[in-house]
Amino acid sequence: DAGVTQSPTHLIKTRGQQVTLRCSPKSGHDTVSWYQQALGQGPQFIFQYYEEEERQRGNFPDRFSGHQFPNYSSELNVNALLLGDSALYLCASSLRSSGANVLTFGAGSRLTVL
Amino acid sequence: AQKVTQAQTEISVVEKEDVTLDCVYETRDTTYYLFWYKQPPSGELVFLIRRNSFDEQNEISGRYSWNFQKSTSSFNFTITASQVVDSAVYFCALTDNYGQNFVFGPGTRLSVLP
Repeated sequence: DAGVTQSPTHLIKTRGQQVTLRCSPKSGHDTVSWYQQALGQGPQFIFQYYEEEERQRGNFPDRFSGHQFPNYSSELNVNALLLGDSALYLCASSLRSSGANVLTFGAGSRLTVL
Repeated sequence: AQKVTQAQTEISVVEKEDVTLDCVYETRDTTYYLFWYKQPPSGELVFLIRRNSFDEQNEISGRYSWNFQKSTSSFNFTITASQVVDSAVYFCALTDNYGQNFVFGPGTRLSVLP
């Protein structure tokens, strides 16, 4: 049973460019959340998608946008990259139900902005 | 606003020692969930335990145990007879009853030396 898969694993961009990160959730999961983890810090919530809609958003600017597809996979887009966007981007999936379900995380996409 | 504090940035122990990782949280919710995740060098966060705010029973799973005390807003994690494979960064996290936004602490880096 495949867990959460993310691509690419590593990428390097320059300031001002745009990037798209991809995530396939664990089989059976319908909800995808994205987190940004700067070096030496805990993950920070970006947003969550369920039924192809953004359900909640953390304190991130509009340069961060996302999408969820009918097969539950998801993309994270970041426009006008800044040096401070360099981080590990983690995708987590879960099954929507009452209460707080366990998040299953992928290994992340490490973005370096030069 | 929700907040998680892990005051210990780094801990080093020698193999077979016991070690306790502290977690203190802040929330105004009456229903909430607490989690512990382990992040090995590979980067993927691994789920360890979930506890809801109405269940204050301590839990033991093998060498791992958790002490939840609502009176002090703490959810501490103890590893008994530590092993080198326990070396990782450990995160405590808090979320509300809907589980849409996980708030992570800054993490504690545990190094178990042989």
